[in-house]
Amino acid sequence: GGIITQTPKFLIGQEGQKLTLKCQQNFNHDTMYWYRQDSGKGLRLIYYSITENDLQKGDLSEGYDASREKKSSFSLTVTSAQKNEMAVFLCASSILGQGTLYFGAGTRLSVL
Amino acid sequence: AQKVTQTQTSISVMEKTTVTMDCVYETQDSSYFLFWYKQTASGEIVFLIRQDSYKKENATVGHYSLNFQKPKSSIGLIITATQIEDSAVYFCAMRANYGNEKITFGAGTKLTIKP
Repeated sequence: GGIITQTPKFLIGQEGQKLTLKCQQNFNHDTMYWYRQDSGKGLRLIYYSITENDLQKGDLSEGYDASREKKSSFSLTVTSAQKNEMAVFLCASSILGQGTLYFGAGTRLSVL
Repeated sequence: AQKVTQTQTSISVMEKTTVTMDCVYETQDSSYFLFWYKQTASGEIVFLIRQDSYKKENATVGHYSLNFQKPKSSIGLIITATQIEDSAVYFCAMRANYGNEKITFGAGTKLTIKP
């Protein structure tokens, strides 16, 4: 089996700050995803990547950048944190073409 | 554009009964894939079951089964003989045809199993 590791587990930022979240997977999966989950809400797709150096925008990409420099890692940057923003950012991976997602434990973001 | 809608915000049932959670979807693709995921109170999200649109038989895994009604763009999740540990939030998701790796989720249904 494999694992998806998200760092940090908790992230506290200041308004306007650039914040980076990291995700590592050892499944050797091609496809990786970043989702945002607001309290009591569903998962909204921010970015996904089907291979190294590939980036595809999701439905919520504005205000975020992503980077896939290695097959095993996928980073997400909040370009300018919004005051009082609170959400969980979930990373997932999948075999290309298969669609079944494996999720990390998430990064909880709070902006003061 | 693909869209997934779960209208049931929360459901509460007695233990050992059967529950059905609804999900409807929208897509332009003739072939697509539908999934159900479970998010426990700890936040962990796990895959439960999938249905490929070209398959007529409803998928079944353990005490989870699907009610796939293609003409209605509907994919219901049925849990039989519910247990306390089935209490969780259940998400429906879809992926479009081959070549498109975008996966869209619904808003989720919170299921509570009462003893």
